[in-house]
Amino acid sequence: AQKVTQTQTSISVVEKTTVTMDCVYETRDSSYFLFWYKQTASGEIVFLIRQDSYKKENATVGHYSLNFQKPKSSIGLIITATQIEDSAVYFCAMRGGNYKYVFGAGTRLKVIA
Amino acid sequence: EAAVTQSPRNKVTVTGGNVTLSCRQTNSHNYMYWYRQDTGHGLRLIHYSYGAGNLQIGDVPDGYKATRTTQEDFFLLLELASPSQTSLYFCASSDGQGAERLFFGHGTKLSVL
Repeated sequence: AQKVTQTQTSISVVEKTTVTMDCVYETRDSSYFLFWYKQTASGEIVFLIRQDSYKKENATVGHYSLNFQKPKSSIGLIITATQIEDSAVYFCAMRGGNYKYVFGAGTRLKVIA
Repeated sequence: EAAVTQSPRNKVTVTGGNVTLSCRQTNSHNYMYWYRQDTGHGLRLIHYSYGAGNLQIGDVPDGYKATRTTQEDFFLLLELASPSQTSLYFCASSDGQGAERLFFGHGTKLSVL
């Protein structure tokens, strides 16, 4: 069975600094996809970034990047130059061969001025 | 941008009541999903479908039925609602081919009194 674990319940950072959010996953699939989503204060869930398991290069989109460590089944999200608007709940997710998307419990990020 | 529309946005019912949550996507996506979101649990998969007439069991299916009547429409049914089903419900869709990301609706807040 697939499982995604986010152990950080909440994080506070100062604006313009870098933050890393942790995520570990479990799967028996040889090929899978890993994602990070953001849930804004309004409740909207927005896709941020994706990592394909067969790719060695870490994905990067804007000020979001991933730290993919396949041997450790780990996919960390790195946000550089944080802004107040980055305050949200961040979810890690994975999709295996059965097309199920499994989510972690989420990490609440607060960016303070 | 893919559009996923949920209705109603809010619903209040009593214990033992009958509730139907609706979801429509207009991008011809093959896959549709129903999740519930509860504090401390993140998003948990109830049911999903890869096409009209198809239903796949998710991770927390007890007390829920679902039906995919067309490519566009996916319904979640609570036939004997219980207070434990008070939650925020999200519908999502994915094309399952290449993009591999979920597009979410805005959610339905259900309260079972």
